Amino acid sequence: NAGVMQNPRHLVRRRGQEARLRCSPMKGHSHVYWYRQLPEEGLKFMVYLQKENIIDESGMPKERFSAEFPKEGPSILRIQQVVRGDSAAYFCASSLGGTETQYFGPGTRLLVL
Amino acid sequence: QKEVEQNSGPLSVPEGAIASLNCTYSDRGSQSFFWYRQYSGKSPELIMSIYSNGDKEDGRFTAQLNKASQYVSLLIRDSQPSDSATYLCAVPNFNAGGTSYGKLTFGQGTILTVHP
Repeated sequence: NAGVMQNPRHLVRRRGQEARLRCSPMKGHSHVYWYRQLPEEGLKFMVYLQKENIIDESGMPKERFSAEFPKEGPSILRIQQVVRGDSAAYFCASSLGGTETQYFGPGTRLLVL
Repeated sequence: QKEVEQNSGPLSVPEGAIASLNCTYSDRGSQSFFWYRQYSGKSPELIMSIYSNGDKEDGRFTAQLNKASQYVSLLIRDSQPSDSATYLCAVPNFNAGGTSYGKLTFGQGTILTVHP
């Protein structure tokens, strides 16, 4: 059973460009979570999604960031007009249900030049 | 604001010793607790979950939970250099209905170094 898949694993963008991060949950999992880990900082929750629904986006910055989890295909975390402060590791996790254990993907390391 | 606090590291122990990692949480209603291990440059890996007061053992790892004291710990027996990593304590948050769901609040992590 394949684990959580994320791509790309590394992404380099220049300031002002858009970054799109993809996450495919474990087979059978319908709950997806995005976390961000800034350099030398802990993991911070960003958003919790189920298919076609955003359940909790309390950790998402108010501007430039958006997330979706369509009926078909991976979950997407989109960052518009990236700035250097967006450089971080972005992790996706999935769970079978909302109260179940979360399993993390390998992460996407975003570097903004 | 729900918080999770971990003892500040780094923690250095000799090979073969017991490493003790501690975590306190602020939400008295929390029901489940997770320990993740994160190697440098890698993603968090679940190593233990605990839901009931007392001890839970899995190989060299033992999780201990005391809900009255809002305290959860992780003991690593016979520590090995390969255990050197950052250990993250995580607690699910509650929604408005009072049931827990999977959004996790993480502690800052404790860096463990096991030296030969």
